[in-house]
Amino acid sequence: KQEVTQIPAALSVPEGENLVLNCSFTDSAIYNLQWFRQDPGKGLTSLLLIQSSQREQTSGRLNASLDKSSGRSTLYIAASQPGDSATYLCAVVSPGGSYIPTFGRGTSLIVHP
Amino acid sequence: SQTIHQWPATLVQPVGSPLSLECTVEGTSNPNLYWYRQAAGRGLQLLFYSVGIGQISSEVPQNLSASRPQDRQFILSSKKLLLSDSGFYLCAWSSTGTGGLPDEKLFFGSGTQLSVL
Repeated sequence: KQEVTQIPAALSVPEGENLVLNCSFTDSAIYNLQWFRQDPGKGLTSLLLIQSSQREQTSGRLNASLDKSSGRSTLYIAASQPGDSATYLCAVVSPGGSYIPTFGRGTSLIVHP
Repeated sequence: SQTIHQWPATLVQPVGSPLSLECTVEGTSNPNLYWYRQAAGRGLQLLFYSVGIGQISSEVPQNLSASRPQDRQFILSSKKLLLSDSGFYLCAWSSTGTGGLPDEKLFFGSGTQLSVL
């Protein structure tokens, strides 16, 4: 059974810092991995999707990388801003899990001015 | 473009009352549909998923049920709510490619905050 872990659970940084959020998974035979953002009381917004054949995806100040062999993905946020404050979740889709996304518990990020 | 609608946004219900949450998707056909619950301080828990009309898979045994009466409509129901049913309920969809595999992003609705008192 696929298990997804996100470390750290919470992070507080000053504005302008470059950040790395981590996502690890136990079964390296994944189909894809997706990063989401969730604001308090809101639904999840998709940020980046990495297929199993890809190494990274970029969107603006966000860059997500995937290393299947080590069971890890990182979300890099450049030049953080207060508007980046939210909870970031990763989800892994695996053939062994009937292609149902398995979510980590998320990293709660606060960027203070 | 595709959109997902989920309602209501907030619901306060007494213990023992029935529940019906509805989710509809527009702009796509034959989506995979999902119901998740997010309890305070806990992760996302998959409740039900559906790969087609009338095809429902349950991940967690409980007093909730789901139905898919139309291709792009997914309904979460309960005959009698429990206190433990309180939480944030999220509907999601993904498109399907060859063999029904999810080949694109997972999109979420705005969620329903359910409080059972």
